[in-house]
Amino acid sequence: DVKVTQSSRYLVKRTGEKVFLECVQDMDHENMFWYRQDPGLGLRLIYFSYDVKMKEKGDIPEGYSVSREKKERFSLILESASTNQTSMYLCASSSDQMTGPPYPHYGYTFGSGTRLTVV
Amino acid sequence: AQRVTQPEKLLSVFKGAPVELKCNYSYSGSPELFWYVQYSRQRLQLLLRHISRESIKGFTADLNKGETSFHLKKPFAQEEDSAMYYCALNMDSSYKLIFGSGTRLLVRP
Repeated sequence: DVKVTQSSRYLVKRTGEKVFLECVQDMDHENMFWYRQDPGLGLRLIYFSYDVKMKEKGDIPEGYSVSREKKERFSLILESASTNQTSMYLCASSSDQMTGPPYPHYGYTFGSGTRLTVV
Repeated sequence: AQRVTQPEKLLSVFKGAPVELKCNYSYSGSPELFWYVQYSRQRLQLLLRHISRESIKGFTADLNKGETSFHLKKPFAQEEDSAMYYCALNMDSSYKLIFGSGTRLLVRP
């Protein structure tokens, strides 16, 4: 019962290419996130969206943009891929119904990840 | 500023030994802490939350506000516990989680 689907498991792109990473969730979650996962650095937030057409920068947004035209889909765009963007990219979603005091959210549901290699 | 610190990159123990994965956080408000786990070739998943005070797969974690810690513990490690563990912080009930750098737990037979 896959709930957060990332379109590609492995992707190899050339430097300078425009790259699209797609994420779709079927849980009607309001919030969606893009993280990159690197050894020794953990997960770092790139961008997140709390509603359709809404987006906010995370900790490392440089070189990336996002698009959320529909509630279920959140796309990460690498405008001009560079070798330092070689990484594992994780998409996640969460529901507003689980946020806020006194009991905050029950956690994210993650996708299986896209391993991007930029050559 | 590093908000979540996991000082050990790798923790190796023998089966049946106690395990403690350390997590310290930096936040002056009311934190919400989580532990996530990623088994080999599986997606990252929630293990437990401090607010629910639950024990999952024999693991427990207690929030110590005085020491700003949320260490994950298990009295007797099993080989199937081998995985990558991430501590995560939510501040002010915001939308986003801040993750630590992760600790790889290796349980040897």
